[in-house]
Amino acid sequence: DADVTQTPRNRITKTGKRIMLECSQTKGHDRMYWYRQDPGLGLRLIYYSFDVKDINKGEISDGYSVSRQAQAKFSLSLESAIPNQTALYFCATSDSPGLAGVGELFFGEGSRLTVL
Amino acid sequence: AQKITQTQPGMFVQEKEAVTLDCTYDTSDQSYGLFWYKQPSSGEMIFLIYQGSYDEQNATEGRYSLNFQKARKSANLVISASQLGDSAMYFCAMRQNNAGNMLTFGGGTRLMVKP
Repeated sequence: DADVTQTPRNRITKTGKRIMLECSQTKGHDRMYWYRQDPGLGLRLIYYSFDVKDINKGEISDGYSVSRQAQAKFSLSLESAIPNQTALYFCATSDSPGLAGVGELFFGEGSRLTVL
Repeated sequence: AQKITQTQPGMFVQEKEAVTLDCTYDTSDQSYGLFWYKQPSSGEMIFLIYQGSYDEQNATEGRYSLNFQKARKSANLVISASQLGDSAMYFCAMRQNNAGNMLTFGGGTRLMVKP
């Protein structure tokens, strides 16, 4: 099984619908992130969390919300989906730099969301 | 403002040749880290190599090396002896250690290896 698991892997929805993307990890990392990938723009940070009680906005948080239900779970919600939120979404985890490595991100397999 | 710039949207390389993927970054911090990730067509993100701003030696990992030129703020990825399996998107990313330790990514370079 993957260390970082995202569900669903693919989702097609309609404008105005509420969508939740879920992420769970078995790496034991405290830090979790949500990124979105768009062609030519790379990956952009939506939200991040350094522990269960810590939630922070990233570069493009408008239209999104998150919940850190446990150390291992971090979900992303689109309260009212719009077509320009069509993208590939990645959840990632990391250790603090210096603990057991360089703090690189470990990514889930991605969730492809299409909003019609 | 974009802090990581990858100027090559796409490039070709002949199998077995070396290729350099460019990355420039912008930061006023002294402490930062630079990363390269590979994204094959299957979509997963694979960590390749890391360079810390205080590291004096260029990082190497197998066929990957990072040509770090601090004064020029560049962190180019060099892949030696290209293989067909190297065909993928490659992303450069920076972590500013005094700004929450998040990674900021460039727009990516699509590398295609020709047989």
